[in-house]
Amino acid sequence: GQNIDQPTEMTATEGAIVQINCTYQTSGFNGLFWYQQHAGEAPTFLSYNVLDGLEEKGRFSSFLSRSKGYSYLLLKELQMKDSASYLCAVSQGGLTGGGNKLTFGTGTQLKVEL
Amino acid sequence: EPEVTQTPSHQVTQMGQEVILRCVPISNHLYFYWYRQILGQKVEFLVSFYNNEISEKSEIFDDQFSVERPDGSNFTLKIRSTKLEDSAMYFCASRGLGGQPQHFGDGTRLSIL
Repeated sequence: GQNIDQPTEMTATEGAIVQINCTYQTSGFNGLFWYQQHAGEAPTFLSYNVLDGLEEKGRFSSFLSRSKGYSYLLLKELQMKDSASYLCAVSQGGLTGGGNKLTFGTGTQLKVEL
Repeated sequence: EPEVTQTPSHQVTQMGQEVILRCVPISNHLYFYWYRQILGQKVEFLVSFYNNEISEKSEIFDDQFSVERPDGSNFTLKIRSTKLEDSAMYFCASRGLGGQPQHFGDGTRLSIL
């Protein structure tokens, strides 16, 4: 099965940097994905890692260490609109197969304050 | 930017009734998924669909659930006899080839009375 852990809540200041951690235990791992979800809305894709290392996309970066079962999402230059839930999700299955289901963590509710 | 579209946005149904949730995936995507999210809980996988057949399903996806791709654009989720505990937000997602990320629709909020 899958076990995905991430902090329930975090608070940060506008303009600052925040790191949201995620640890996982899984079989058949083939990628880790980060999504943003505002209340009542759909998850929106932010970043993903298949191999170890850092992926940077504008204000958002994600890091993966497969040997440690660990990932983090880094948000820079925080804005009030970044207040949302951030979901860590692990993909299982072959890259070209029909599976690749996502198993989600419970999400980290980030509050950005002035 | 292409997006996944879902209809209706909100469905209210009496317990025991059948419901069909509709999705139009992104046009060049080949892999399709349904997830659900009960209020205040995490997003849960229901089923994946590829090449006109189910490739994987979760324990939630029992005999009361079915999926269909009736034509080249729609992807539907049917619940035959709804229960109170089926009340949730249902998300459709699709993805392209390889390790591409899944893109989610805005969801259908299903309320069972």
